[in-house]
Amino acid sequence: KAGVTQTPRYLIKTRGQQVTLSCSPISGHRSVSWYQQTPGQGLQFLFEYFSETQRNKGNFPGRFSGRQFSNSRSEMNVSTLELGDSALYLCASWDRGTFEQFFGPGTRLTVL
Amino acid sequence: AQSVTQLDSQVPVFEEAPVELRCNYSSSVSVYLFWYVQYPNQGLQLLLKYLSGSTLVKGINGFEAEFNKSQTSFHLRKPSVHISDTAEYFCAVSRGDYNTDKLIFGTGTRLQVFP
Repeated sequence: KAGVTQTPRYLIKTRGQQVTLSCSPISGHRSVSWYQQTPGQGLQFLFEYFSETQRNKGNFPGRFSGRQFSNSRSEMNVSTLELGDSALYLCASWDRGTFEQFFGPGTRLTVL
Repeated sequence: AQSVTQLDSQVPVFEEAPVELRCNYSSSVSVYLFWYVQYPNQGLQLLLKYLSGSTLVKGINGFEAEFNKSQTSFHLRKPSVHISDTAEYFCAVSRGDYNTDKLIFGTGTRLQVFP
């Protein structure tokens, strides 16, 4: 099976802009989680989607949003970008039979 | 709520020496425990997991970990490390039931293996 894919791998934006990141989970996996990784805050949970429904959301402002499509692909959107949003955004695809999360390579977002 | 503490931010070790990376967790409910490794410019790769049963868990690349409920610990060990083990290692915990939905990560331990 193909692994989790994330696009784009790298992104440079300026403050105030918005950005959309995409994640395609492993075939058959219906749960997708998003995490933000920064040197200062480490790995932090953003949100989780299962069957197109957001099941849980981390402690992030409303500028961070996401959605999941019927084919389980997921997108996350960050509006009104701030310098502090610069991070590696990781998507994970859940195998609910084994409780394992498989991570994609991430999208590195740089906000100037 | 769950939390994870990785006691060492960096662990330097010589090649072929044993290593232990420490992880302690806190939770009021049962948990699942995981160790992930991250190589530079890559995502996270699962090394091993504890869901239930035997407290000694063996993973990939020769790593193992022991779940100790009384000490609330899940330390990662390898008897002989290689240069290629140089990476960042993350301990993670999730709620231990079918509806578990997120991983709570520790701050990571950078393992540096020297020749």
